[in-house]
Formats: sequence, C-alpha cells, structure tokens
Amino acid sequence: GQNIDQPTEMTATEGAIVQINCTYQTSGFNGLFWYQQHAGEAPTFLSYNVLDGLEEKGRFSSFLSRSKGYSYLLLKELQMKDSASYLCAVRDSNYQLIWGAGTKLIIKP
Amino acid sequence: SQTIHQWPATLVQPVGSPLSLECTVEGTSNPNLYWYRQAAGRGLQLLFYSVGIGQISSEVPQNLSASRPQDRQFILSSKKLLLSDSGFYLCAWSVTEFNEQFFGPGTRLTVL
Repeated sequence: GQNIDQPTEMTATEGAIVQINCTYQTSGFNGLFWYQQHAGEAPTFLSYNVLDGLEEKGRFSSFLSRSKGYSYLLLKELQMKDSASYLCAVRDSNYQLIWGAGTKLIIKP
Repeated sequence: SQTIHQWPATLVQPVGSPLSLECTVEGTSNPNLYWYRQAAGRGLQLLFYSVGIGQISSEVPQNLSASRPQDRQFILSSKKLLLSDSGFYLCAWSVTEFNEQFFGPGTRLTVL
C-alpha cells in the first residue's frame, strides 16, 4: 500500500527553528508537495521538490531525499501566524497526490 | 488571476437527504478539477477528478457522484447522505496533473 508518515503534533517557540519530517512509501514518485492549512481553512501551497536537495523560499525550506523516501520542511524565525497544520503529499506514478494526515504545529510565545 | 469558489461554506443535513455542492473556477480554461474529503486527523482523500467537461474519474466507490457540466464548474452530489459522509469537502484545481493544486475554501458538512 501507499503510506505517508508525519508526526501528529509539534510544539516550538516564537523566533526559533522547527523541522517537520515526512517519510513516504508510494507506487512511483513524481514529486513531493508541502501545504499549510490553518484551522478551518483550505490548504495553501508552500513548496515542491522533485529532485534531491534543498529548495529555499524565504523563511521556509524543503528538502528531499528520494533514495531514503524522506523529506522535511524547515521553518525559520517562527511567527505566531505559523501555527497551522503542515501537509506532506507525494505524487505517485499515476500523477495522483497521496496525502499525509498532517502535522499540527503549535507556536508558543 | 485565478479564483476558486465553493458553496455553501457549511451545511447540516439529515441522514437520507440529497446533497449538492458546487465549485467554480475563474481566470483559467480547461483546468483539472478535484473533489477531496478531509476527515479529522486523516489525510485528504481524493474522491473524484476531471480533466475535461463530462470526464469524471472516481477514486473511491461510495454513494457520492460528481459532474462537470461546464468547463469551470464541478458538482458533488449524493442521492442519500450517510452519517459517514460528514467531513470537510474541498474542491481544487490545477493547470495539468503535473502542477500544484489550488484549493477552494471548503464546505463543512455535518450529517445528523
């Protein structure tokens, strides 16, 4: 079967750095996405990785290792508005997205 | 710019009643369209996707159906709702299957 694993919940302090991990086992791989979802709202696109390495976009960076079936999302200089769920999704060989259950990130002052 | 609309925002329906949720996209032509359901603590579950008018692919057998009567309109329906149909329903669009998906605001459905 296809599986995406993420921690259920993480807590971090305002101004700090947090790393959210995602491991996957899917039938084929055609890219990995990270989305942010505030409570009660729709997911919004953050980043996309298809090749190994680090993609940086402002305070957010995403890393991919295809050989290890592993990705992480790195958030720097945390702000209270970063409190949200972060969803990892992998596009499989049929170009469909397989979604993780999401990681709820709690930011404390 | 592109915009995606969904309505209603919230809905409370009795078991056995019908359902119709509507999604429309503005600012693009021939988008790929998707219906997802998100249950609490679970990943998004793809219900239906469409690559063109009248073309619907179903991912999960259930009592739901979808239709695409116009290029930028996607409708999710049911003849008789079940308790298990409760959840957060999200419509999304993408330029092609190779691109990121953009989500509408969602409909929170409660079946009592």
